[in-house]
Amino acid sequence: EVQLVQSGAEVKKPGESLKISCKGSGYTFNSNWIGWVRQMPGKGLEWMGIIFPFDSDTRYSPSFQGRITISADNSISTVYVQWSSLKASDSAMYYCVVPAGSPSWGQGTLVIVSS
Amino acid sequence: QSALTQPASVSGSPGQSITISCTGASSNHGSFSLVSWYQQHPGKAPKLMIYEVSERPSGVSDRFSGSKSGNTASLTISGLQAEDEADYFCCSYTGRDWVFGGGTKLTVL
Repeated sequence: EVQLVQSGAEVKKPGESLKISCKGSGYTFNSNWIGWVRQMPGKGLEWMGIIFPFDSDTRYSPSFQGRITISADNSISTVYVQWSSLKASDSAMYYCVVPAGSPSWGQGTLVIVSS
Repeated sequence: QSALTQPASVSGSPGQSITISCTGASSNHGSFSLVSWYQQHPGKAPKLMIYEVSERPSGVSDRFSGSKSGNTASLTISGLQAEDEADYFCCSYTGRDWVFGGGTKLTVL
């Protein structure tokens, strides 16, 4: 069974950096695309980007290009998304997702950015 | 990147059937063959209800079914129950990118 376990909630100030994680198990981590989805409070789902861990081929949604960096560490079956300078508008729930086949989702990581 | 278009809201009475549509531009997402549907209750993570247009994950009620015609996918819920009241999102995945619908709020009257 595919399991995606995300890191815990974060509270940050504007301008700070952040890296959240998602650890996969129960499937071949490095040969499946895995991505990130944002959900702002009371809003819909937005695809942020996706990575193929085997070769780190990464695609970003135009809405997120330049604002985030997605990376993967095959040795620990973990994918990351990071921000170098957070804004209040980055406050949201973030989900990692393995979209192929029967898609699997992580439990979500709540990020709050507030001064 | 264009979003998939869903109605903002639908409603139905207990026992009735409803259908939620999800329309994509023909220029994106090719055959529209990797469409999935999610149910989301307030404060909860999205739950997969349908994948690959019409496949139902283990544990999902057979009252939920999916179909597609051209560039429109549909989710049908039969025998509506109060617990079905939630937001529903469609999603199209091409293998390298995704696009989501804006979501449909289902109200069970």
